[in-house]
Amino acid sequence: DVKVTQSSRYLVKRTGEKVFLECVQDMDHENMFWYRQDPGLGLRLIYFSYDVKMKEKGDIPEGYSVSREKKERFSLILESASTNQTSMYLCASSLASGGVYNEQFFGPGTRLTVL
Amino acid sequence: AQTVTQSQPEMSVQEAETVTLSCTYDTSESDYYLFWYKQPPSRQMILVIRQEAYKQQNATENRFSVNFQKAAKSFSLKISDSQLGDAAMYFCAYRSRVGGSEKLVFGKGMKLTVNP
Repeated sequence: DVKVTQSSRYLVKRTGEKVFLECVQDMDHENMFWYRQDPGLGLRLIYFSYDVKMKEKGDIPEGYSVSREKKERFSLILESASTNQTSMYLCASSLASGGVYNEQFFGPGTRLTVL
Repeated sequence: AQTVTQSQPEMSVQEAETVTLSCTYDTSESDYYLFWYKQPPSRQMILVIRQEAYKQQNATENRFSVNFQKAAKSFSLKISDSQLGDAAMYFCAYRSRVGGSEKLVFGKGMKLTVNP
């Protein structure tokens, strides 16, 4: 089974702190994604990566950055956390499509609270 | 840009009965994928069913089936013989096949309650 893990289920940080959210997948997937989930807004894509050291902005990249130094690990970074970044963060991974659909597999999520 | 709309934020169904979750989308593309994902309380999001736009036959997966109406841009999910374990948030999602896009566009989700 594909396994996508996230470093924390719950995280509480203070405004202005630098926050790292880690995601690891064990199935050698090329693609990795970070989403933000808010009630009434669904999932919104923050960033994704299709290869090591490669990244592309999603729909809401402002206030976030990412890092992918190894294929299995994709980090989301909040340079200076703000209260409006309080949310559930979901990581996902998938094989490269090559024109064929490949399912995205999701991690359990990290619920981040910024005080 | 593509959009996905789930107009019903919440629904409930009696155990063993059938429920239909609605989803509409907007796109100018002719080739794409559509999905239903399920997110149980405090558990990981999982794929329920997918539909490829070029296939006329509606997808089915055991108790789950879709009604795909391409011209109407409608993609509803039918859950038959509902079970308590079906209680979850359900998200409809769209993915383009143009240019090798990997991005999913999600609807806002719908909370399904199953009553015993």
